[in-house]
Amino acid sequence: DTAVSQTPKYLVTQMGNDKSIKCEQNLGHDTMYWYKQDSKKFLKIMFSYNNKELIINETVPNRFSPKSPDKAHLNLHINSLELGDSAVYFCASSPAGRIEQYFGPGTRLTVT
Amino acid sequence: GNSVTQMEGPVTLSEEAFLTINCTYTATGYPSLFWYVQYPGEGLQLLLKATKADDKGSNKGFEATYRKETTSFHLEKGSVQVSDSAVYFCALSDQAGRRALTFGSGTRLQVQP
Repeated sequence: DTAVSQTPKYLVTQMGNDKSIKCEQNLGHDTMYWYKQDSKKFLKIMFSYNNKELIINETVPNRFSPKSPDKAHLNLHINSLELGDSAVYFCASSPAGRIEQYFGPGTRLTVT
Repeated sequence: GNSVTQMEGPVTLSEEAFLTINCTYTATGYPSLFWYVQYPGEGLQLLLKATKADDKGSNKGFEATYRKETTSFHLEKGSVQVSDSAVYFCALSDQAGRRALTFGSGTRLQVQP
């Protein structure tokens, strides 16, 4: 059983399109995150939700909108995709009262 | 703000060589420190962690000691294997409640047979 799963694994789309990436964790964790990894492998936090409540919202264009329908899911919707959005997006989760995070396999987004 | 600095790679070693990947950090308070590993085409896996000064994290032959006086958390392994080839990330988690990880830029390790 995959602990943190993301769909799709690969996403190729054209500029201007709107797309969503989904994340699910079956670990019973209460906090979920989205990170962006650029072409140089640098990882940066984008958003974090705790029990469906947004707690971290870094300086990210408002074309990016996270949604957490329940504490096991955190989706990322991106409007009007741009070339610079091409990256690998990682979802992660962490259990209540603990700081280590568990990562999904990543979604490689390519905008052409 | 918080930051993590890692040595630039790639680091290329022969099998059974000794590995050190340097990591230093800047943070307010007393962060927790982590090493994550990313194998080709995969997500990040937690390798080890340390939550307070002088703690030593260890896993799969890798070790790192939380040194507050030098603000460092260097990763070491006595004898690397080809299967250790991956990108290694040093990270910290601040204790201010945000629980987000601040990552270093990653160090690619290539182990040759």
